[in-house]
Amino acid sequence: GQQVMQIPQYQHVQEGEDFTTYCNSSTTLSNIQWYKQRPGGHPVFLIQLVKSGEVKKQKRLTFQFGEAKKNSSLHITATQTTDVGTYFCAGRTGFQKLVFGTGTRLLVSP
Amino acid sequence: DSGVTQTPKHLITATGQRVTLRCSPRSGDLSVYWYQQSLDQGLQFLIQYYNGEERAKGNILERFSAQQFPDLHSELNLSSLELGDSALYFCASSVWGRYDNEQFFGPGTRLTVL
Repeated sequence: GQQVMQIPQYQHVQEGEDFTTYCNSSTTLSNIQWYKQRPGGHPVFLIQLVKSGEVKKQKRLTFQFGEAKKNSSLHITATQTTDVGTYFCAGRTGFQKLVFGTGTRLLVSP
Repeated sequence: DSGVTQTPKHLITATGQRVTLRCSPRSGDLSVYWYQQSLDQGLQFLIQYYNGEERAKGNILERFSAQQFPDLHSELNLSSLELGDSALYFCASSVWGRYDNEQFFGPGTRLTVL
């Protein structure tokens, strides 16, 4: 079945440093979504990418969908302590259900 | 606040017991999804309902079942509970049943099986 892996599993950065998490699918995706889950909280939708090579920005966050639509990345510029949490990608193949990635836990030290 | 409500927030029970988790979707959302999140684990999709009918099944055990009622709220029933069923159970909702819809997650129910 479809698998979605994320790397790294965990990253600890100093405030102000950049952070990137990568999402890789075993199959070509129709679209990919990104969610953030704060410690003790629930996942919150961040963005959806649909087109090959698509790049979207939300303030300090940059999301990219690979040309082959099998991978995606989330880059945070100049992290802040409010960025702490686990970032999940979720991909879909055709009309199949969303498959969530394994998540990347981000810790930011002041 | 996502607009999705889940009750109860916490549930502590013993092995072999049966529990029911309840979810009310956002107003206007027709689709409900159930997920299981174990400690330090990702989100495991269990089941989806759309307008009262089962739409998709994931890694849901036979001991688990769910339904969506005419008022669109949903219940997840977990029976013959085992220690390994201890987890956070999330409900999410979306407007339609399509998988390119944004999903809105509830606060979750933390189940502890002793």
